[in-house]
Amino acid sequence: DAKTTQPTSMDCAEGRAANLPCNHSTISGNEYVYWYRQIHSQGPQYIIHGLKNNETNEMASLIITEDRKSSTLILPHATLRDTAVYYCIVSLGGGADGLTFGKGTHLIIQP
Amino acid sequence: GAGVSQTPSNKVTEKGKYVELRCDPISGHTALYWYRQSLGQGPEFLIYFQGTGAADDSGLPNDRFFAVRPEGSVSTLKIQRTERGDSAVYLCASSSPPVADTQYFGPGTRLTVL
Repeated sequence: DAKTTQPTSMDCAEGRAANLPCNHSTISGNEYVYWYRQIHSQGPQYIIHGLKNNETNEMASLIITEDRKSSTLILPHATLRDTAVYYCIVSLGGGADGLTFGKGTHLIIQP
Repeated sequence: GAGVSQTPSNKVTEKGKYVELRCDPISGHTALYWYRQSLGQGPEFLIYFQGTGAADDSGLPNDRFFAVRPEGSVSTLKIQRTERGDSAVYLCASSSPPVADTQYFGPGTRLTVL
């Protein structure tokens, strides 16, 4: 079973910031938080990951709470192409294990 | 550069038949993963290869499912005596740990068992 809890769906207006929450209250000290997204009929795409510090890349920012029990993925200026299912995943990292996906959050960007 | 490719993109077969699904990982990636995705669900891990060997096959649902990677590059997922419940999208991913453990996914093979 997935070790994360996410809302089933969310809407966001185009051009606004999309904030996707994730709860992972049973995360272990050596586990990372990964975010992937899946656009309809495509394979999942990596977005970002972090251990305990906040992270930012060209796609998104990841904010992890101090107790590491939850995190938020932020898409700063959402576009229609960001409509997808977003998966929050807890993993040991290092490429040594398969990823455990939940059902994710279906983010719909409204024009 | 080329990403992960999977063939065929679609496969329709009859119950009881044998099928093979192929995955070509990104060149140089040592790790290869297979997942299965049913409609409305997230991908489900099946098996992970590091080089030629299966490092973790705990996700294979039963002994009808088998995967190989004989030369440490291309992998084939084999399903014997297919059942209607095997219908799903089969996804392959590759990565290059420990330099980068990001998994790069292919487009998947949609398997339909009639």
